[in-house]
Amino acid sequence: GDSVTQMEGPVTLSEEAFLTINCTYTATGYPSLFWYVQYPGEGLQLLLKATKADDKGSNKGFEATYRKETTSFHLEKGSVQVSDSAVYFCALSAGRGYSTLTFGKGTMLLVSP
Amino acid sequence: EPEVTQTPSHQVTQMGQEVILRCVPISNHLYFYWYRQILGQKVEFLVSFYNNEISEKSEIFDDQFSVERPDGSNFTLKIRSTKLEDSAMYFCAIQGSGANVLTFGAGSRLTVL
Repeated sequence: GDSVTQMEGPVTLSEEAFLTINCTYTATGYPSLFWYVQYPGEGLQLLLKATKADDKGSNKGFEATYRKETTSFHLEKGSVQVSDSAVYFCALSAGRGYSTLTFGKGTMLLVSP
Repeated sequence: EPEVTQTPSHQVTQMGQEVILRCVPISNHLYFYWYRQILGQKVEFLVSFYNNEISEKSEIFDDQFSVERPDGSNFTLKIRSTKLEDSAMYFCAIQGSGANVLTFGAGSRLTVL
């Protein structure tokens, strides 16, 4: 079945450091890929998405490129801020049902000043 | 104001008791979803609900669970005779703008003792 694997957290960085959170997936067909973010006390919010191979999703300085050959969708940001501290979820939608998402476990990011 | 409000934010219950979790979207939506996340594990799909009917459900969503829209706005998840392993964060979601984009509530944390 479909699955998403994310790197274990927490990821601890200093402000302005470079961020990479790895995500790989297993799916039949051609899934859409997503990154959701959950700030403390809030719901999951869509951060970015990509719907086909080689697409790059970007938002708020975060980027992720849909790599079909490596079945990956790694999240990157060149310079993190304290306000980026949150839990980041990689997810896919493989068209099974309407908008049903398969999530990874989530990776907590802690950014210190 | 959040697009999706969930209540209660945290509920503690005794094993065997019934629990009702509520989801209130800010505006009318046709599609609703419930997901859950057991501590340290993946966010898992439970059920999708369209036009007052279940449209898809996972293996987790057995006879212990039910969903309904009792008054045309609230959307509820009922868990009958709770078990210890039902302890989790339960997320309600609505269909957002664009296909495969879900807007989530902040979650209801259920603790079964």
